[in-house]
Amino acid sequence: DAGITQSPRHKVTETGTPVTLRCHQTENHRYMYWYRQDPGHGLRLIHYSYGVKDTDKGEVSDGYSVSRSKTEDFLLTLESATSSQTSVYFCAISDPKVSHEDTQYFGPGTRLTVL
Amino acid sequence: ELKVEQNPLFLSMQEGKNYTIYCNYSTTSDRLYWYRQDPGKSLESLFVLLSNGAVKQEGRLMASLDTKARLSTLHITAAVHDLSATYFCAVDILSLPNYGGSQGNLIFGKGTKLSVKP
Repeated sequence: DAGITQSPRHKVTETGTPVTLRCHQTENHRYMYWYRQDPGHGLRLIHYSYGVKDTDKGEVSDGYSVSRSKTEDFLLTLESATSSQTSVYFCAISDPKVSHEDTQYFGPGTRLTVL
Repeated sequence: ELKVEQNPLFLSMQEGKNYTIYCNYSTTSDRLYWYRQDPGKSLESLFVLLSNGAVKQEGRLMASLDTKARLSTLHITAAVHDLSATYFCAVDILSLPNYGGSQGNLIFGKGTKLSVKP
């Protein structure tokens, strides 16, 4: 397995509270991604990063922000959590210099419940 | 609007039988991925298809890509219980800046939940 960890793995929080999820990689891959997985929707991209301090929005970015101050860490923040953000969140990494197929490798996921 | 559609979404198979999962997509792409997900687990990369006519096989699974038809198939031969999982296709759509010509933004299908019964 690619060296990707996510923390926390499970979290229950209340509506309106801020939440930060962390993705940490030991592979030195340039690109990092945050997805959410919901029943009936597959995986949807929230934000991605193409380098330190370089990020961009994905398909479902409203209500989320990200930061990447180091190659190995990509943080996802829910400024004010809502029940619609209850989901499983996956981090992924890739780097075409490592794999010409540019495969994305996924972390173990974080299950977030917003009450 | 970009769409990646898989069918069927649910598939119940008997061991030993063959079947095909289809992945249709609505825009041009020559880079398609197949992933497997076991319940409560992460996604595992199965195949990467990078050109029209690409075919890859691993064990009882074979994936192919027809970019002109915008169609990829995942064929299961002589299914066994261990293949029970959810299978996702994903199409690489967007170019990332300074990415050296590669694309790394995936749009996923909704997944096909496969159940193989004795």
